[in-house]
Amino acid sequence: DAGVIQSPRHEVTEMGQEVTLRCKPISGHNSLFWYRQTMMRGLELLIYFNNNVPIDDSGMPEDRFSAKMPNASFSTLKIQPSEPRDSAVYFCASSSGENSNQPQHFGDGTRLSIL
Amino acid sequence: AQSVTQLGSHVSVSEGALVLLRCNYSSSVPPYLFWYVQYPNQGLQLLLKYTSAATLVKGINGFEAEFKKSETSFHLTKPSAHMSDAAEYFCAVSRTGGGNKLTFGTGTQLKVEL
Repeated sequence: DAGVIQSPRHEVTEMGQEVTLRCKPISGHNSLFWYRQTMMRGLELLIYFNNNVPIDDSGMPEDRFSAKMPNASFSTLKIQPSEPRDSAVYFCASSSGENSNQPQHFGDGTRLSIL
Repeated sequence: AQSVTQLGSHVSVSEGALVLLRCNYSSSVPPYLFWYVQYPNQGLQLLLKYTSAATLVKGINGFEAEFKKSETSFHLTKPSAHMSDAAEYFCAVSRTGGGNKLTFGTGTQLKVEL
């Protein structure tokens, strides 16, 4: 089975530009998570969805960040306008069911560099 | 709110030596606990999970962890380190009835030396 698929794997862009990160969760999983990982702050949960509905977006840093999940097989994380401090590795993860004993499965991440 | 604390951001062991990575949790309700491993330029991969069945949990790559309620600990061990074990390890907790949201520790970088 295919795992969580993220695209692009790498993104380099100039500050002020719009950035869109994409995620395809594992088929049948109904929870989806977006994380950001940096050396300074470690792994941070940005937002998570259950059955395509945002449940907790308290980790979204500011209004420049937005996330959508239009259907069960696709999600996007958008940054507009981007800033150098947004440079990080962004991970998407998915899990099945609503029981907290279900592990999350991670994609390989998108390494974002804002110049 | 639940949390985990990983003692030691960097651990170094010799190849063939015991690996011990420490994790203590805080939770007001019975927790579910997880260990993940992250290799360079990859996402996190599940090593093992504790879900209130056996307190000694065996995972992949020869790792295991023991849930000790009295010590609020879930330390990760491996009897004999291999060079390929060099990676970053994360402990995580979720709580009963809390959905699938995980709270991660700050990670421990394991270095394996010849």
